[in-house]
Amino acid sequence: DTGVSQNPRHKITKRGQNVTFRCDPISEHNRLYWYRQTLGQGPEFLTYFQNEAQLEKSRLLSDRFSAERPKGSFSTLEIQRTEQGDSAMYLCASSLDPADTQYFGPGTRLTVL
Amino acid sequence: DAKTTQPTSMDCAEGRAANLPCNHSTISGNEYVYWYRQIHSQGPQYIIHGLKNNETNEMASLIITEDRKSSTLILPHATLRDTAVYYCIVPTNAGKSTFGDGTTLTVKP
Repeated sequence: DTGVSQNPRHKITKRGQNVTFRCDPISEHNRLYWYRQTLGQGPEFLTYFQNEAQLEKSRLLSDRFSAERPKGSFSTLEIQRTEQGDSAMYLCASSLDPADTQYFGPGTRLTVL
Repeated sequence: DAKTTQPTSMDCAEGRAANLPCNHSTISGNEYVYWYRQIHSQGPQYIIHGLKNNETNEMASLIITEDRKSSTLILPHATLRDTAVYYCIVPTNAGKSTFGDGTTLTVKP
């Protein structure tokens, strides 16, 4: 069990650019979650997947955000036309099933200049 | 989602027990209480969870009141490395979790 991994760990981009983050969940975990965390606050739910199906999206997930989990394994989170307000830590978590413990990755820290 | 309320910050002397409270008065009968902690710039780390019985593992103990409206996380012998933000959450049955701002625990020598 290698844990949840996220890449890249840090990303610096200029406003208006597109960025994509990747999350590799724990093997055989069916549930995958994305959260966003800004400085001094707790993680905020963005979206989650059951296998390849995206089941719920937060209102925080504007039209510029899209998440996929094409084969029910890894997931990607893309932000188009980044804004300075998108600067945050993006966290991924996975669980075996909905009622199971979520295990978090180390996060991707995005800085938009 | 069941809302949780935690104190903003707490201090604890090294070697002493740290008792972190959490209120979750709107918890439903089949919802679990989970505790995580987050050390600066890292992802949240799972600590422990429980439904209605007290739980203990190698990291901590969890005491849940009989009415399940509150709980206490106990770190029996706090060390400097336990300094972190501690989150108490009650995920929905679908797994959706709402984190508050947690309790910043500072363990002092």
